[in-house]
Amino acid sequence: DAGVIQSPRHEVTEMGQEVTLRCKPISGHNSLFWYRQTMMRGLELLIYFNNNVPIDDSGMPEDRFSAKMPNASFSTLKIQPSEPRDSAVYFCASSLRVWGTSGVSYAEQYFGPGTRLTVT
Amino acid sequence: EDKVVQSPLSLVVHEGDTVTLNCSYEVTNFRSLLWYKQEKKAPTFLFMLTSSGIEKKSGRLSSILDKKELSSILNITATQTGDSAIYLCAVKTGNQFYFGTGTSLTVIP
Repeated sequence: DAGVIQSPRHEVTEMGQEVTLRCKPISGHNSLFWYRQTMMRGLELLIYFNNNVPIDDSGMPEDRFSAKMPNASFSTLKIQPSEPRDSAVYFCASSLRVWGTSGVSYAEQYFGPGTRLTVT
Repeated sequence: EDKVVQSPLSLVVHEGDTVTLNCSYEVTNFRSLLWYKQEKKAPTFLFMLTSSGIEKKSGRLSSILDKKELSSILNITATQTGDSAIYLCAVKTGNQFYFGTGTSLTVIP
């Protein structure tokens, strides 16, 4: 398996431009997570999907951020308009969400290589 | 407010030393605690702990969860330069994953 695939790996854009980050999860995984990592705030969960449905987007910083998962093998994170403070590494991760005797649990998450976004 | 705190923030040791990294948490509806290793790329999974007192081992790394103390430790014995990385602790609750800021480990030859 190729693992989680993210594109682009690096993105440099000017303030005000729209940015779209893409993610292909591991085949068979039914949960997908978007994270942002900065030196100041560490790794933050932005949003996650179960079976293509957004479950919790409370981590999305503001309305400029939106995420979609049109099918089980593809997700996008869009920033419009972008601002310099959005500069960070954005990770996508996928996992298998399973039902056990004690309820829902998640197997470990596998992270993609990340997209390094620089907004000037 | 749910939070995960790791200590120390950074650590410098010599090859062969043993290190212990700490993770404490205050969350509602705890489900599991996970450890990740992050070098100059994406985090890679190390352990997932759900039960208190049961040690998980992988080579020179081991980890254990203490639900009474709301904490976990990650031990690395006979450290090598390849162990240099940021070690992240994450806690899964009912709806969220919370990450600590990580412990930066540097192993000097």
